[in-house]
Amino acid sequence: GQNIDQPTEMTATEGAIVQINCTYQTSGFNGLFWYQQHAGEAPTFLSYNVLDGLEEKGRFSSFLSRSKGYSYLLLKELQMKDSASYLCAVRDGDYKLSFGAGTTVTVRA
Amino acid sequence: DAMVIQNPRYQVTQFGKPVTLSCSQTLNHNVMYWYQQKSSQAPKLLFHYYDKDFNNEADTPDNFQSRRPNTSFCFLDIRSPGLGDAAMYLCATSRDRTGADTQYFGPGTRLTVL
Repeated sequence: GQNIDQPTEMTATEGAIVQINCTYQTSGFNGLFWYQQHAGEAPTFLSYNVLDGLEEKGRFSSFLSRSKGYSYLLLKELQMKDSASYLCAVRDGDYKLSFGAGTTVTVRA
Repeated sequence: DAMVIQNPRYQVTQFGKPVTLSCSQTLNHNVMYWYQQKSSQAPKLLFHYYDKDFNNEADTPDNFQSRRPNTSFCFLDIRSPGLGDAAMYLCATSRDRTGADTQYFGPGTRLTVL
């Protein structure tokens, strides 16, 4: 089985930066995904990392360290619409994604 | 726009009454997945189709079945829903099953069991 851990909740102020950490223990590794999920809606794809390092996409960046089994999602210039749950998911085989329980980010004015 | 569509968005059924959830996709993807997500929990994979090849997860109850009559459509059948089956059911698709293939999710069907 897989073990994927991320904090349950985080709160930050509009305009600030928040970093969501994810640690994983898997039997194999074929990439790590971050998804955003607004309440009552489906997850939407944010980023994919398979090699160590930082991937930047506008206000969102994702980092991976395979040797440490660690990733983070960095959200910059927070906006109210960024209030959502952020899911870390690891692909351990050819197809199966194992998801973390998600980190609920609340952005306050 | 190409997308993953789920119908209905909200479904209410009675304890033990069979229910079918529908998913369609215009992405022409080979793989279709069904996930169950309960409140504040991670999505849990029930099964997936790789083209016509059905792949069941070991811990998916027999109460859950699936059909994929063609590339575009996939159905989730719950033969005898119990109160514990109340959840959001998410359909997802991907082009293939290799590492970089992203899964794209539909809006989900929220199932209530009375």
